[in-house]
Amino acid sequence: EAQVTQNPRYLITVTGKKLTVTCSQNMNHEYMSWYRQDPGLGLRQIYYSMNVEVTDKGDVPEGYKVSRKEKRNFPLILESPSPNQTSLYFCASSPLAGAYNEQFFGPGTRLTVL
Amino acid sequence: SQQGEEDPQALSIQEGENATMNCSYKTSINNLQWYRQNSGRGLVHLILIRSNEREKHSGRLRVTLDTSKKSSSLLITASRAADTASYFCATAGGGADGLTFGKGTHLIIQP
Repeated sequence: EAQVTQNPRYLITVTGKKLTVTCSQNMNHEYMSWYRQDPGLGLRQIYYSMNVEVTDKGDVPEGYKVSRKEKRNFPLILESPSPNQTSLYFCASSPLAGAYNEQFFGPGTRLTVL
Repeated sequence: SQQGEEDPQALSIQEGENATMNCSYKTSINNLQWYRQNSGRGLVHLILIRSNEREKHSGRLRVTLDTSKKSSSLLITASRAADTASYFCATAGGGADGLTFGKGTHLIIQP
């Protein structure tokens, strides 16, 4: 089944403890991105990747890192999480760069930073 | 910054009625997309309309786009309880970056 998977689905952590949220897609998509969703703010893009080893900042990249060593994986790294990073995170992929086509979203990761 | 703004923020109708949601945006676009999100879950793509298109249909969905007014509407006909969800419009500017989402319309279908 074609899908985008994220792990973990739920995570509660403490301020400053490094964490990684994994994202994987099995559709051989070139483009992957991360969004965060907050009440009253909608979804905002954090980082995106047009292909392996090519990443760029979205609208809200501060406090996040990403890497794209393989086409299928695009992990989101929080080196030193803070409470303002408590949010619902979505990974998405698309066949082509940018948003010329529909994006396929993962199920989401709900992160709480205490 | 938010590009799309949906209106209304919330909508409650009876099952069987039609639901209309509107989206306005600020800058020029390559395409506009509508997504549905069931409570706390991932987003599901509904329909994509390109800037040179004016109307598009998919099943019970009808989307219109007016680039002169920078607005779009999503019509769901013959609504069902399963249509209860949040609906987001998202715009694509044509560059390498991703979609810019509005804040969504929360639709409730009363049985």
